[in-house]
Amino acid sequence: DVVMTQSPLSLPVTLGQPASISCRSSQSLVYSDGNTYLNWFQQRPGQSPRRLIYKVSNRDSGVPDRFSGSGSGTDFTLKISRVEAEDVGVYYCMQGTHWPGTFGQGTKVEIK
Amino acid sequence: EVQLVQSGAEVKKPGESLKISCKGSGYSFTSYWIGWVRQMPGKGLEWMGIIYPGDSDTRYSPSFQGQVTISADKSISTAYLQWSSLKASDTAMYYCARLLERAPGYWGQGTLVTVSS
Repeated sequence: DVVMTQSPLSLPVTLGQPASISCRSSQSLVYSDGNTYLNWFQQRPGQSPRRLIYKVSNRDSGVPDRFSGSGSGTDFTLKISRVEAEDVGVYYCMQGTHWPGTFGQGTKVEIK
Repeated sequence: EVQLVQSGAEVKKPGESLKISCKGSGYSFTSYWIGWVRQMPGKGLEWMGIIYPGDSDTRYSPSFQGQVTISADKSISTAYLQWSSLKASDTAMYYCARLLERAPGYWGQGTLVTVSS
């Protein structure tokens, strides 16, 4: 299976400040169709996960534009431009290029 | 609006069987892969397997192959996850999710399964 490694695993942030999470895969996530199926999910406490970003940098419907994704090949980043209180939760990267899809360990974002 | 509604929480004893469900609505149920994700208490997310309800093509993650069975009844737009003999280690929250761009784009509310003697 492809191993997804996130860092940091814990991220204390100040409200209004930016935050960044890194995700690295053990092999290239470029699929045979030329797309890179790297996703980011948010899981707020007590809730189901919700996808924020698909194919590296595309925001899902209803996702605030303070969330952005970037990267290529094996290295990817999720950025929150200005953290708000509702952003508290655990963030997971996930690759859908290779079966089975695999998730990172999760990064817990909390307010300082 | 795409919705996935899962069956309610279950409490079972080791060795018992169980089948949980996920009903899809708001889209063509037979046209999208739907899968199951496990989240053990305090832990991360794990893909278990997926099914294409249109033709019942099913794929399992190697970690779950032989441990669970995924099925679907397209006549009632419902996917299932079942166990023939539960273990305490099956205690977890189970989410169904409809794939979009090769990843879970829509999620159910989760079904908590507790296995305890």
